[in-house]
Amino acid sequence: ETGVTQSPTHLIKTRGQQVTLRCSSQSGHNTVSWYQQALGQGPQFIFQYYREEENGRGNFPPRFSGLQFPNYSSELNVNALELDDSALYLCASSFWGQWETQYFGPGTRLLVL
Amino acid sequence: KNEVEQSPQNLTAQEGEFITINCSYSVGISALHWLQQHPGGGIVSLFMLSSGKKKHGRLIATINIQEKHSSLHITASHPRDSAVYICAIKNTGNQFYFGTGTSLTVIP
Repeated sequence: ETGVTQSPTHLIKTRGQQVTLRCSSQSGHNTVSWYQQALGQGPQFIFQYYREEENGRGNFPPRFSGLQFPNYSSELNVNALELDDSALYLCASSFWGQWETQYFGPGTRLLVL
Repeated sequence: KNEVEQSPQNLTAQEGEFITINCSYSVGISALHWLQQHPGGGIVSLFMLSSGKKKHGRLIATINIQEKHSSLHITASHPRDSAVYICAIKNTGNQFYFGTGTSLTVIP
């Protein structure tokens, strides 16, 4: 049973705005990864956080940034939103080095108008 | 070119059929992951493989590192297996790449 939660579940923003998405990890997990999934596509890796530092990043511009807090929860921030940022944003938590234990949250669906 | 390619994109099967989904990748990997995604977005991890074969219930996953290829097999398919199956890889540089998924529909 996954204990990863994300908020909000749905969000509508307009171009140019900024958004913050939140993720609470499965209890005890110290690593959080964020993914973007456009409609009909597979997820794309945005970045991973471990010990409150970014530890691996996909091909996303700097306007995508993140934070991990001491309780291992995490935020994804996106500045200067573009229409193509409309997607399902998934976070997943795991123990460091144990990718097979990665648990996914239900996602936040972002629509940029 | 995508680092991970899956086939087929869509698959419809009758209940009870044996199903195979294929995944090919083009980079060196430290691990390959099979995921299941249900309508609405929820993703469940099925297998993580770095070599050989794994079995869990009616699901079997195999990987051939030399050929850069993995397969997910479902025996005695059931309508509840209907979902999108995604292959994902972790390269040696801690980057993750995902296939676009195979949408499976199992008809009763």
